[in-house]
Amino acid sequence: QITLEESGPTLVKPTQTLTLTCTFSGFSLTTSGEGVGWIRQPPGKSLEWLAVIYWADDKGYWPSLRSRLTITKDTSRNQVVLTMTNMDPVDTATYYCAHRHCSGGSCQLFFDHWGQGALVTVSS
Amino acid sequence: QSVLTQPPSVSGAPGQRVTISCTGSSSNIGAGYDVHWYQQLPGTAPKVLIYGNNNRPSGVPDRFSGSKSGTSASLAITGLQADDEADYYCQSYDSSLSVYVFGTGTKVTVL
Repeated sequence: QITLEESGPTLVKPTQTLTLTCTFSGFSLTTSGEGVGWIRQPPGKSLEWLAVIYWADDKGYWPSLRSRLTITKDTSRNQVVLTMTNMDPVDTATYYCAHRHCSGGSCQLFFDHWGQGALVTVSS
Repeated sequence: QSVLTQPPSVSGAPGQRVTISCTGSSSNIGAGYDVHWYQQLPGTAPKVLIYGNNNRPSGVPDRFSGSKSGTSASLAITGLQADDEADYYCQSYDSSLSVYVFGTGTKVTVL
């Protein structure tokens, strides 16, 4: 059974750096094909994909946020960390981590398991 | 940030059929990338409803179905029920940006 859980601060000040941790179980990021992504959702708005990291340490970022985002993995702890620099009130959102679908060696480009989300408010 | 376009809202009476469109471009849906659909109930995380254009995960009723043609896709809900009230999002992959892309989202209201 795959589970993911986000953790991090609920409130950050403008210009600060946000660090979010996704702790997962039920799969390993050392297994070929596996990946974990981060998606956010501003209040009342749509889903926005931010970043992904794969088993081979390949990474992808949303282009307009690339300069502010860093995604890393700690396979020994089954964790993925997302950092976002220079936070702004418009970055206020619920941040989700999610498992990229990979089952029995077949992987597809969607997210089949999601964490419950972590609401991050950016305010002074 | 949304690359895929959906109608903001659709509504229907209980038992009716509603459809939600998802329009992309030649670099995502039109490039052959699969379309996936998520249901998001109020206050909860999104849940996969349809994957690979027209496949349902176990536990998803067959009232939900998906299709894809050209640069667009659709989600159909038949036999609309009160607990279908939720936000629905399509998602694909975009080769020009090498990114996962989501739709603008559609709120389904059961009248």
